[in-house]
Amino acid sequence: GAGVSQSPSNKVTEKGKDVELRCDPISGHTALYWYRQSLGQGLEFLIYFQGNSAPDKSGLPSDRFSAERTGGSVSTLTIQRTQQEDSAVYLCASSPRQGLGGYTFGSGTRLTVV
Amino acid sequence: QKEVEQDPGPLSVPEGAIVSLNCTYSNSAFQYFMWYRQYSRKGPELLMYTYSSGNKEDGRFTAQVDKSSKYISLFIRDSQPSDSATYLCAMRGNQAGTALIFGKGTTLSVSS
Repeated sequence: GAGVSQSPSNKVTEKGKDVELRCDPISGHTALYWYRQSLGQGLEFLIYFQGNSAPDKSGLPSDRFSAERTGGSVSTLTIQRTQQEDSAVYLCASSPRQGLGGYTFGSGTRLTVV
Repeated sequence: QKEVEQDPGPLSVPEGAIVSLNCTYSNSAFQYFMWYRQYSRKGPELLMYTYSSGNKEDGRFTAQVDKSSKYISLFIRDSQPSDSATYLCAMRGNQAGTALIFGKGTTLSVSS
């Protein structure tokens, strides 16, 4: 596609429920990143995928968070047993190579846990 | 000490002013430096990209990197109301596969 597409754009969920956030990167981009942006906290790195290599999960805040990338394209970020502190904007980005150069970000999924 | 420090502002200037935005960092291994602009309820968009030390100019925007001081700047000349946004600095080292580290962002408001 022309840009990075994320869905849903907004998600309200009850505490304790699981949520899935989707990212469709730019076609041909081999690197894909998930970041979390909380009010006043800036962008927090979560996970990085590069081609078929094992992902860098070093930023995932707890084992309730997981992500996968199927066929080197679409990625899904799953948050299990959501907590109120998970409320944030979840941003996905892709780049054509291993992070060299800048990323292209999607518009994000605004997650609210009530 | 956080790896990347950025004053969150807010910064308010009149139209036509010169704006200076800055970040400091602690990791001497950082080699790639970027500035992103983020409008409300949008994802960040890449504005400027520099490698190592030096200056880079693109229209009204100039990015400067001083690695000896671990200090980077973004200058906006002849600022416009459309420049009102949050500006985020970002940086990473040479090692392939490492993610960008972002500052918290500075909110800029340009009044007409």
